[in-house]
Order: sequence, then C-alpha cells, then structure tokens
Amino acid sequence: DAKTTQPTSMDCAEGRAANLPCNHSTISGNEYVYWYRQIHSQGPQYIIHGLKNNETNEMASLIITEDRKSSTLILPHATLRDTAVYYCIVRVDNAGNMLTFGGGTRLMVKP
Amino acid sequence: EPEVTQTPSHQVTQMGQEVILRCVPISNHLYFYWYRQILGQKVEFLVSFYNNEISEKSEIFDDQFSVERPDGSNFTLKIRSTKLEDSAMYFCASELATGQPQHFGDGTRLSIL
Repeated sequence: DAKTTQPTSMDCAEGRAANLPCNHSTISGNEYVYWYRQIHSQGPQYIIHGLKNNETNEMASLIITEDRKSSTLILPHATLRDTAVYYCIVRVDNAGNMLTFGGGTRLMVKP
Repeated sequence: EPEVTQTPSHQVTQMGQEVILRCVPISNHLYFYWYRQILGQKVEFLVSFYNNEISEKSEIFDDQFSVERPDGSNFTLKIRSTKLEDSAMYFCASELATGQPQHFGDGTRLSIL
C-alpha cells in the first residue's frame, strides 16, 4: 500500500471546523483513502472513506484533490470528544486487505 | 449499532504461558483480523482470516501465534509461549465485504510478567 504523510499534531478550538490534511502522492488508481481515529488507546474507529469523489457522512467530510495526491478530513464542529489520533490510510479496497497504520495526527480540541 | 466485542479487557500472564484472546465479530461479517499496538507505537497488522483460512500474515505472526474460528461467532488469537515483548493491546476487527470498512473492537491489554 502507498504511504501517507500527516502532520504530527494539530490544535482546534471547540466548535470550529477541524481540517486534517493527508498527503498520499504515490496512491494507485485502485486505492481508496480511509480515515480512522483512535481515542485514548481504544480500538480504531472508522470515520469515512472515498476513492475520488468527495464524501460526507454524519461524522465528517472527506475532500480528495482531483489528482488524488492529497485529501482533507473535515470535522465541521469539533467537540472535546473529538480529541484523538487521526489516521489517513490508503488501501486497495479488496476485502481481506490489511490496513497499514502510520503515526497519524494527534488532534487536540481545546475549549 | 452492532459492534466487535473482545474479552478479556485486560489479561495478565506469566512469561512462557499460553494465552487465548477472544473476539466476537459483527455477526454477518466474513473477514476477520488481528492487530496489535505496543504502548506508544503504531497499530500493526498481525493476520487476516477468511473462509476458515489465514489470508495474509505479517512477520510478527510467527509459529507462536495461531488463530481459530471455533464456532460461528468467536474468533480467537492464541499465543503459545508468551514473551515479555508480546505485551501490547490486541485489537480484533471484522469486515463485511469489499467496499465496506473494517470495524474494530476496543482491544485486550495483554501484560506479560
């Protein structure tokens, strides 16, 4: 799987949008972008994934650039409970393929 | 919402002993995984399992490790002779099909003394 690059840490004010960037410049045409988060050593929690179109669900929005070399996860109104490590992962979307976790971005939401 | 459940939440074992970590995947899921996370380090893939066979395994998953789906609901990870370096959080995950995400349990913290 292609590698991803994320900032080590970010801060966000409570109630504001959190925009978490991810670079995946070597992504292949059949690789999806997945986002997970991990709150305080709990199990990774799935957030959203996409191939090339922007995606939105009840948790977040995913914006993928046209060349697919980068993406941004948007939490529209961050709360203190969104404080977590956020992982951007690229993966060929065949069931049975492993997820390769990097170091992620530690997002701190502050009051 | 259905979830992956893992037991026990914390397991303390003497070095050299066998340990079995248990997982109940989401009921209609077909693909199963084990990952581990050593304290302060990245989440690492161990093994994937489908149709009662190992699909893929990492270098970490050596002869001391085995997985089993003994019945229609449980998925277990066995470590035959534990070492100090096996101390970690172990996460189970399950997946329905291609195009669907993996869902993780909250893990078992394994402490080897």
